[in-house]
Amino acid sequence: DTEVTQTPKHLVMGMTNKKSLKCEQHMGHRAMYWYKQKAKKPPELMFVYSYEKLSINESVPSRFSPECPNSSLLNLHLHALQPEDSALYLCASSQTVNEQYFGPGTRLTVT
Amino acid sequence: GQNIDQPTEMTATEGAIVQINCTYQTSGFNGLFWYQQHAGEAPTFLSYNVLDGLEEKGRFSSFLSRSKGYSYLLLKELQMKDSASYLCAVRDIGPGKLIFGQGTTLQVKP
Repeated sequence: DTEVTQTPKHLVMGMTNKKSLKCEQHMGHRAMYWYKQKAKKPPELMFVYSYEKLSINESVPSRFSPECPNSSLLNLHLHALQPEDSALYLCASSQTVNEQYFGPGTRLTVT
Repeated sequence: GQNIDQPTEMTATEGAIVQINCTYQTSGFNGLFWYQQHAGEAPTFLSYNVLDGLEEKGRFSSFLSRSKGYSYLLLKELQMKDSASYLCAVRDIGPGKLIFGQGTTLQVKP
């Protein structure tokens, strides 16, 4: 089983809202990732968690706040987003260097 | 700097063979991935190369030459469902960072 799940599938939020994206994997992977993907562009790395600790923050604005409550879960808290933050947000996980599996993504629209 | 180049678009005929090239110049290298992505969907893992040579997996093969900073993805017996974007990604040294190329949009025609 190489499944990474993400909820919700779609999210529409206003610029003053607070919402959270959730990601879950039960493969025992120790690294989890958040990517942002705009239309017709490749995924861009936002955050990496390794053994539940934040190991990479790619200079992401503070209106995006990641959280790793345990080894299976990864959240992305959203607050005061801008319309240009509308994108597909992808979660991924890996255990070894020769793999990285993506979830189906959350399509976020900021109005 | 980090630079990964792929052709933007390619067109091929159903049943044919197509080769998608990827060249890279990165500060670190810990393997190269190929992903397939259909419009509006998540990337799907196709292959991983870390040593020079060819890896074959069914209709898909991937080749790597580290000395040349070059890889290709070979798709045989093309099917209409192979129409998608193909992403080349280099894994950086350290905690798993993937650096993606811009992707190659492949259109398979009857």
